[in-house]
Amino acid sequence: EAAVTQSPRNKVAVTGGKVTLSCNQTNNHNNMYWYRQDTGHGLRLIHYSYGAGSTEKGDIPDGYKASRPSQENFSLILELATPSQTSVYFCASGRDWGSSYEQYFGPGTRLTVL
Amino acid sequence: GQQVQQSPTSLVLQEGENAELQCNFSTSLNSMQWFYQRPGGSLISVFYNPSGTKQSGRLTSTTVIKERRSSLHISSSQITDSGTYLCAMEGAMLSGSFNKLTFGAGTRLAVCP
Repeated sequence: EAAVTQSPRNKVAVTGGKVTLSCNQTNNHNNMYWYRQDTGHGLRLIHYSYGAGSTEKGDIPDGYKASRPSQENFSLILELATPSQTSVYFCASGRDWGSSYEQYFGPGTRLTVL
Repeated sequence: GQQVQQSPTSLVLQEGENAELQCNFSTSLNSMQWFYQRPGGSLISVFYNPSGTKQSGRLTSTTVIKERRSSLHISSSQITDSGTYLCAMEGAMLSGSFNKLTFGAGTRLAVCP
């Protein structure tokens, strides 16, 4: 069973502050992803990674950076947080066994930017 | 860009009734996945179903790649089935969306006693 954990689970930040969301997975999956979920928009992909040292822009990368220092860890960084970034953030990891592909999600982080 | 349309947007059932949730894709897909989410909860994979029909208990998923659609059938619904069901597609290889999921907006299901 894939295990994806996120920290913190809840975060209140001030506008202009720096926020780092962390994600850890213990199943040696190559691919990791950061999404945000907002009412009316569903889940949208922010950044993703194919392995340690790699980061790629997703569909809505503006205002976010990502870091993948190891196979297990993938961070999402908001250098200058804004109220529009208030959302629930989900991390996911994915395996790719040839043509078989699934994603497993963490519990989510609720971020409020005041 | 690719789009994923889910229907219905919401659904209310009496316990014991069946439900059919639909997902339609605007572009070719390599695979798709159904997820379940409780309010305030995370996404739990219900089916990974790139093609054909899969069944797990009271849930059945059917994906027809050529027609760019997938369905999730819930039989004999229970109150604990309440929540949001999301489908997501992985784009075809070389599409730029390979190994990435695009989500539908979800179907909110409420099962009443």
